[in-house]
Amino acid sequence: SAVISQKPSRDICQRGTSLTIQCQVDSQVTMMFWYRQQPGQSLTLIATANQGSEATYESGFVIDKFPISRPNLTFSTLTVSNMSPEDSSIYLCSVEGAAGRETQYFGPGTRLLVL
Amino acid sequence: LAKTTQPISMDSYEGQEVNITCSHNNIATNDYITWYQQFPSQGPRFIIQGYKTKVTNEVASLFIPADRKSSTLSLPRVSLSDTAVYYCLVGDLRNTDKLIFGTGTRLQVFP
Repeated sequence: SAVISQKPSRDICQRGTSLTIQCQVDSQVTMMFWYRQQPGQSLTLIATANQGSEATYESGFVIDKFPISRPNLTFSTLTVSNMSPEDSSIYLCSVEGAAGRETQYFGPGTRLLVL
Repeated sequence: LAKTTQPISMDSYEGQEVNITCSHNNIATNDYITWYQQFPSQGPRFIIQGYKTKVTNEVASLFIPADRKSSTLSLPRVSLSDTAVYYCLVGDLRNTDKLIFGTGTRLQVFP
């Protein structure tokens, strides 16, 4: 299994600012995913990030709000831009499992509170 | 991906067997059934995956009837540490990048 770390683990931010979340994997992976989990809710996929190409965003999520970088096979960042209190959530990254796409391994998440 | 329906919550006591059923009436021929577990303040963790009949690993068993329109995750002799949210996902995971999470079942284990 892959070991995934995220930074920061939590943050409190002011409305209108931006926060960049980092995701580091201990092995090279082709596909990385970013999810949002609002308090008490299930996970929602934000986008898929492949190394060397533009991220693919799900319906309801746009690049201007959630720009993603994928500079290499072990690292990705998600920026939450121009934040509002509605962006308060846990943001998780995940990677495809070694066995293919049947499983994914998740990071511990970044807990974001926007005031 | 096929939509799934699970109970929102379940309660159990330590030592009991817990069975969580997931309905997926629109499951397609190439779809697999996958269960994830999420502890508080952690990301989801893969538990088990199956296509039909029964699958067992060191954590759980997965029972899938012949029509595959439902599945049951069985946790033997639960402990307090099994308190978590359990998600059932259905899809052709060999051909799609996406995991679509439903509401999940919040299992609370009491001493």
